[in-house]
Amino acid sequence: KQEVTQIPAALSVPEGENLVLNCSFTDSAIYNLQWFRQDPGKGLTSLLLIQSSQREQTSGRLNASLDKSSGRSTLYIAASQPGDSATYLCAVPTDSWGKLQFGAGTQVVVTP
Amino acid sequence: ETGVTQTPRHLVMGMTNKKSLKCEQHLGHNAMYWYKQSAKKPLELMFVYSLEERVENNSVPSRFSPECPNSSHLFLHLHTLQPEDSALYLCASSQEAGTGELFFGEGSRLTVL
Repeated sequence: KQEVTQIPAALSVPEGENLVLNCSFTDSAIYNLQWFRQDPGKGLTSLLLIQSSQREQTSGRLNASLDKSSGRSTLYIAASQPGDSATYLCAVPTDSWGKLQFGAGTQVVVTP
Repeated sequence: ETGVTQTPRHLVMGMTNKKSLKCEQHLGHNAMYWYKQSAKKPLELMFVYSLEERVENNSVPSRFSPECPNSSHLFLHLHTLQPEDSALYLCASSQEAGTGELFFGEGSRLTVL
């Protein structure tokens, strides 16, 4: 059974610092890995999708890496801003129908 | 139009009520999903529809009844719910079931009294 773990559970940094969020998964046979952002009481916003054949994916200040062999993905957010405060979730599909196994998330607070 | 729209955003119902949640996607996707997010728990998949056909029912109690009349609309019919069913219900869509990026709606916050 696929298990997804995110460490740390919470993170507080001053504005301008780089953020490093970790995601690990137990079964390396994944099709892809997706990172999401969730604001309190809101839905999920897709940030990046990395296919299993890719090592990294970039979008603006966000960069996600994928190491299937070690079962890890890392989300880097450069030059953090207060608007980056949210919960960040990673997820991997566990069957051919799109069932995603989510991590519990990392709650990020960026202080001005 | 935003990609995935859910209504209502908030719903309070008694255990004997019948209500429905609605989801509409404007992305031309073929697959739609219902997820449940309870406090302090990871998101849980409830149902998957591919081209209006239910392809996965993740052991969800029968008091939750999904309906997908076409590839753009998805409903979740609720009846005789329990207080522990209170949660954020999220709808999502993807180009095809099982592949590609998932896009979520804002969710419907359900409170069962």
